[in-house]
Amino acid sequence: DAGVTQSPTHLIKTRGQQVTLRCSPKSGHDTVSWYQQALGQGPQFIFQYYEEEERQRGNFPDRFSGHQFPNYSSELNVNALLLGDSALYLCASSLAPQGTQYFGPGTRLLVL
Amino acid sequence: QQQVKQSPQSLIVQKGGISIINCAYENTAFDYFPWYQQFPGKGPALLIAIRPDVSEKKEGRFTISFNKSAKQFSLHIMDSQPGDSATYFCAASMKAAGNKLTFGGGTRVLVKP
Repeated sequence: DAGVTQSPTHLIKTRGQQVTLRCSPKSGHDTVSWYQQALGQGPQFIFQYYEEEERQRGNFPDRFSGHQFPNYSSELNVNALLLGDSALYLCASSLAPQGTQYFGPGTRLLVL
Repeated sequence: QQQVKQSPQSLIVQKGGISIINCAYENTAFDYFPWYQQFPGKGPALLIAIRPDVSEKKEGRFTISFNKSAKQFSLHIMDSQPGDSATYFCAASMKAAGNKLTFGGGTRVLVKP
Protein backbone atom coordinates (compact mmCIF):
# COMPACT_ATOMS: atom_id res chain seq x y z
CA ASP A 1 0.00 0.00 0.00
CA ALA A 2 1.75 3.14 -1.24
CA GLY A 3 1.85 6.05 1.14
CA VAL A 4 1.79 9.70 0.16
CA THR A 5 4.24 10.43 -2.64
CA GLN A 6 5.61 13.79 -3.73
CA SER A 7 7.66 14.96 -6.69
CA PRO A 8 10.22 16.21 -7.24
CA THR A 9 12.27 15.55 -4.11
CA HIS A 10 14.47 18.61 -4.60
CA LEU A 11 14.18 21.73 -6.74
CA ILE A 12 16.30 24.82 -7.28
CA LYS A 13 14.73 27.97 -8.75
CA THR A 14 15.66 31.64 -9.04
CA ARG A 15 13.69 34.62 -7.76
CA GLY A 16 10.71 35.53 -9.91
CA GLN A 17 10.31 32.08 -11.40
CA GLN A 18 7.29 29.82 -11.00
CA VAL A 19 7.24 26.28 -9.59
CA THR A 20 4.81 23.36 -9.56
CA LEU A 21 4.96 20.62 -6.94
CA ARG A 22 2.99 17.39 -7.15
CA CYS A 23 1.39 15.06 -4.63
CA SER A 24 -0.30 11.68 -4.87
CA PRO A 25 -2.37 10.81 -1.81
CA LYS A 26 -2.34 7.56 0.11
CA SER A 27 -4.54 4.91 -1.48
CA GLY A 28 -8.18 5.44 -0.49
CA HIS A 29 -7.70 9.06 0.59
CA ASP A 30 -9.63 11.88 -1.05
CA THR A 31 -8.35 15.02 0.69
CA VAL A 32 -4.99 16.72 0.26
CA SER A 33 -3.50 19.44 2.47
CA TRP A 34 -0.30 21.38 1.78
CA TYR A 35 2.11 22.72 4.38
CA GLN A 36 5.28 24.83 4.23
CA GLN A 37 8.07 23.99 6.66
CA ALA A 38 10.88 26.52 6.96
CA LEU A 39 14.18 25.26 8.32
CA GLY A 40 14.01 24.65 12.06
CA GLN A 41 10.30 25.43 12.32
CA GLY A 42 7.00 23.59 12.45
CA PRO A 43 4.92 23.14 9.30
CA GLN A 44 2.53 25.98 8.38
CA PHE A 45 -0.81 25.18 6.74
CA ILE A 46 -1.16 26.53 3.19
CA PHE A 47 -4.48 25.09 1.97
CA GLN A 48 -6.63 21.98 1.72
CA TYR A 49 -8.33 20.44 -1.32
CA TYR A 50 -11.38 18.21 -1.27
CA GLU A 51 -13.71 17.35 -4.14
CA GLU A 52 -11.43 19.35 -6.44
CA GLU A 53 -12.08 22.57 -4.52
CA GLU A 54 -10.01 24.62 -2.09
CA ARG A 55 -11.78 24.15 1.26
CA GLN A 56 -9.50 25.86 3.76
CA ARG A 57 -6.68 28.36 3.34
CA GLY A 58 -3.96 29.50 5.69
CA ASN A 59 -2.25 32.87 5.82
CA PHE A 60 -0.46 32.66 2.48
CA PRO A 61 -0.59 35.15 -0.43
CA ASP A 62 -2.35 34.53 -3.72
CA ARG A 63 1.01 33.62 -5.27
CA PHE A 64 0.31 30.21 -3.76
CA SER A 65 -2.37 28.32 -5.65
CA GLY A 66 -3.34 24.73 -6.09
CA HIS A 67 -5.39 22.20 -7.90
CA GLN A 68 -6.87 18.79 -7.23
CA PHE A 69 -7.53 16.32 -10.00
CA PRO A 70 -10.34 13.74 -10.31
CA ASN A 71 -7.93 11.00 -9.16
CA TYR A 72 -7.41 13.05 -5.93
CA SER A 73 -3.79 13.94 -6.74
CA SER A 74 -2.87 17.57 -6.27
CA GLU A 75 -0.50 20.30 -7.40
CA LEU A 76 0.87 23.29 -5.54
CA ASN A 77 1.90 26.26 -7.69
CA VAL A 78 3.96 29.18 -6.47
CA ASN A 79 4.41 32.23 -8.72
CA ALA A 80 6.94 35.05 -8.53
CA LEU A 81 9.21 33.11 -6.18
CA LEU A 82 10.89 34.96 -3.32
CA LEU A 83 13.97 33.94 -1.37
CA GLY A 84 11.70 33.42 1.63
CA ASP A 85 9.80 30.70 -0.23
CA SER A 86 12.78 28.37 0.30
CA ALA A 87 11.39 25.57 2.46
CA LEU A 88 10.28 21.97 2.63
CA TYR A 89 6.81 21.67 1.11
CA LEU A 90 4.78 18.88 2.62
CA CYS A 91 1.68 17.22 1.31
CA ALA A 92 -0.65 15.36 3.66
CA SER A 93 -3.59 13.20 2.68
CA SER A 94 -6.63 12.06 4.64
CA LEU A 95 -9.91 10.27 4.21
CA ALA A 96 -12.27 13.25 4.21
CA PRO A 97 -11.24 16.71 5.47
CA GLN A 98 -11.73 15.66 9.10
CA GLY A 99 -9.62 12.51 8.80
CA THR A 100 -6.18 11.84 10.23
CA GLN A 101 -3.48 13.40 8.06
CA TYR A 102 -0.56 11.35 6.77
CA PHE A 103 2.42 13.23 5.40
CA GLY A 104 4.60 12.62 2.38
CA PRO A 105 8.40 13.02 2.38
CA GLY A 106 8.19 16.58 1.07
CA THR A 107 9.79 18.59 -1.72
CA ARG A 108 12.80 20.69 -0.75
CA LEU A 109 12.64 24.00 -2.66
CA LEU A 110 15.61 26.33 -2.76
CA VAL A 111 15.14 29.80 -4.25
CA LEU A 112 18.35 31.60 -5.24
CA GLN B 1 -0.02 34.66 16.39
CA GLN B 2 1.48 31.40 17.57
CA GLN B 3 -1.43 29.34 18.80
CA VAL B 4 0.59 26.33 19.95
CA LYS B 5 3.74 26.88 22.01
CA GLN B 6 6.17 24.00 22.46
CA SER B 7 9.05 23.55 24.90
CA PRO B 8 11.89 22.82 25.22
CA GLN B 9 13.45 23.55 21.82
CA SER B 10 15.96 20.77 22.36
CA LEU B 11 16.50 17.93 24.79
CA ILE B 12 19.33 15.51 25.54
CA VAL B 13 18.50 12.32 27.43
CA GLN B 14 20.45 9.18 28.28
CA LYS B 15 19.38 5.83 26.87
CA GLY B 16 16.69 4.41 29.13
CA GLY B 17 15.67 7.82 30.44
CA ILE B 18 12.40 9.70 30.09
CA SER B 19 11.91 12.48 27.52
CA ILE B 20 9.21 15.03 28.32
CA ILE B 21 7.95 17.63 25.84
CA ASN B 22 5.32 20.21 26.71
CA CYS B 23 2.83 22.16 24.63
CA ALA B 24 0.34 24.90 25.44
CA TYR B 25 -2.49 26.09 23.24
CA GLU B 26 -4.71 29.16 23.20
CA ASN B 27 -7.75 28.26 21.12
CA THR B 28 -10.28 26.36 23.25
CA ALA B 29 -12.06 25.22 20.08
CA PHE B 30 -9.22 22.78 19.32
CA ASP B 31 -10.51 19.23 19.68
CA TYR B 32 -7.70 17.03 18.37
CA PHE B 33 -4.09 16.98 19.57
CA PRO B 34 -1.60 14.80 17.65
CA TRP B 35 2.13 14.38 18.06
CA TYR B 36 4.35 13.88 15.04
CA GLN B 37 7.91 12.52 14.81
CA GLN B 38 10.18 13.76 12.06
CA PHE B 39 13.57 12.41 11.03
CA PRO B 40 15.97 14.52 8.92
CA GLY B 41 14.93 14.56 5.27
CA LYS B 42 11.59 12.92 5.98
CA GLY B 43 8.02 14.08 6.40
CA PRO B 44 6.36 14.10 9.85
CA ALA B 45 4.94 10.73 10.93
CA LEU B 46 1.95 10.49 13.26
CA LEU B 47 3.04 9.08 16.61
CA ILE B 48 0.03 9.32 18.93
CA ALA B 49 -3.01 11.58 19.29
CA ILE B 50 -5.57 12.50 21.93
CA ARG B 51 -8.96 14.19 22.14
CA PRO B 52 -9.89 16.46 25.08
CA ASP B 53 -12.40 14.03 26.59
CA VAL B 54 -9.56 11.91 28.04
CA SER B 55 -6.68 12.97 30.29
CA GLU B 56 -4.11 10.39 29.25
CA LYS B 57 -3.39 8.04 26.37
CA LYS B 58 -0.62 5.48 26.22
CA GLU B 59 0.73 3.59 23.21
CA GLY B 60 3.79 1.50 23.94
CA ARG B 61 6.56 3.74 25.28
CA PHE B 62 4.70 6.94 24.31
CA THR B 63 2.17 8.66 26.59
CA ILE B 64 0.18 11.86 26.11
CA SER B 65 -1.02 13.70 29.19
CA PHE B 66 -3.76 16.29 28.64
CA ASN B 67 -4.86 19.08 30.99
CA LYS B 68 -7.91 20.80 29.50
CA SER B 69 -8.28 23.46 32.22
CA ALA B 70 -4.65 24.52 31.85
CA LYS B 71 -4.78 24.22 28.04
CA GLN B 72 -1.64 22.12 28.11
CA PHE B 73 -0.58 18.70 26.89
CA SER B 74 2.65 16.79 26.99
CA LEU B 75 4.44 13.82 25.44
CA HIS B 76 6.39 11.39 27.60
CA ILE B 77 8.80 8.97 25.93
CA MET B 78 9.65 6.22 28.38
CA ASP B 79 12.83 4.11 28.16
CA SER B 80 14.21 6.44 25.47
CA GLN B 81 16.30 4.72 22.77
CA PRO B 82 18.90 6.14 20.33
CA GLY B 83 16.41 5.43 17.52
CA ASP B 84 14.05 7.93 19.15
CA SER B 85 16.46 10.75 18.27
CA ALA B 86 14.33 12.98 16.06
CA THR B 87 12.36 16.21 16.07
CA TYR B 88 8.95 16.01 17.71
CA PHE B 89 6.06 18.33 16.92
CA CYS B 90 2.85 18.81 18.81
CA ALA B 91 -0.14 20.03 16.87
CA ALA B 92 -3.76 20.97 17.36
CA SER B 93 -6.79 21.11 15.10
CA MET B 94 -10.55 21.35 15.12
CA LYS B 95 -13.02 19.29 13.11
CA ALA B 96 -15.01 22.41 12.27
CA ALA B 97 -11.98 23.78 10.41
CA GLY B 98 -11.38 20.63 8.40
CA ASN B 99 -8.72 19.41 10.79
CA LYS B 100 -6.12 21.87 9.52
CA LEU B 101 -3.14 21.33 11.79
CA THR B 102 -1.50 24.13 13.78
CA PHE B 103 1.97 22.98 14.78
CA GLY B 104 4.26 23.88 17.63
CA GLY B 105 7.82 24.93 16.90
CA GLY B 106 9.30 21.48 17.46
CA THR B 107 11.66 19.81 19.96
CA ARG B 108 14.88 18.20 18.83
CA VAL B 109 15.51 15.12 20.99
CA LEU B 110 18.91 13.46 21.18
CA VAL B 111 19.16 10.15 23.02
CA LYS B 112 22.73 9.34 24.04
CA PRO B 113 23.73 5.65 24.20
